[in-house]
Amino acid sequence: EIVLTQSPGTLSLSPGERATFSCRASQRLSSSYLAWYQQRPGQAPRLLIYGASSRATGIPDRFSGSGSGTDFTLTITRMEPEDFAVYYCQQYGSSPRTFGQGTKVEIK
Amino acid sequence: EVQMLESGGGLVQPGGSLRLSCAASGFTFSTYAMSWVRQTPGKGLEWVSSISASGSATDYADSVKGRFTVSRDNSRNTVYLQMSGLRAEDTAVYYCAKDNKGGYSYAYGDYWGQGTLVTVSS
Repeated sequence: EIVLTQSPGTLSLSPGERATFSCRASQRLSSSYLAWYQQRPGQAPRLLIYGASSRATGIPDRFSGSGSGTDFTLTITRMEPEDFAVYYCQQYGSSPRTFGQGTKVEIK
Repeated sequence: EVQMLESGGGLVQPGGSLRLSCAASGFTFSTYAMSWVRQTPGKGLEWVSSISASGSATDYADSVKGRFTVSRDNSRNTVYLQMSGLRAEDTAVYYCAKDNKGGYSYAYGDYWGQGTLVTVSS
């Protein structure tokens, strides 16, 4: 099973600041089968990024993903009030699909 | 608009059974794989099971294999998760997700329902 480790666990930012999240895989992910999800309190996860760097339908361009192999990054160029949430990475290149433990972004 | 609506959650005793349903709309249900993912405060998000578009292939997490069964009725646009031999550690919010393609290999969930809470306790 591929283990995904996200860092940091919590990020304290102000609106307008840049956010960077890291996701490291215990094994190389073939063809960048990595997705990022956002989860707001009381809501279901929402797909942001798939294939490591492709934005999902309707996702603003302030969200971007990068990386390959074992190291992946999600970047939000300027934090909007609705972006304060928990972010998860997930690999889907091998079964079982696995998730990282999440990074919580809180308002500073 | 793509929507999934889960139902069937509730309180069940250890060793008991429960069947979750997920009614889907807004897309051609019979052409997409579907998955179940659960979330607990302690363990975060955990993939549980997936089923191919036709229903001919299924996959399970080791933690539920032999106890849970996924199925679908394409005439009703509904996917099910039959859970038996329930344990306290199965307590979670269970989400239904539409996969991005017909087969579940190399697929991700692109739309998720709001979830249904399953509590296993005596």
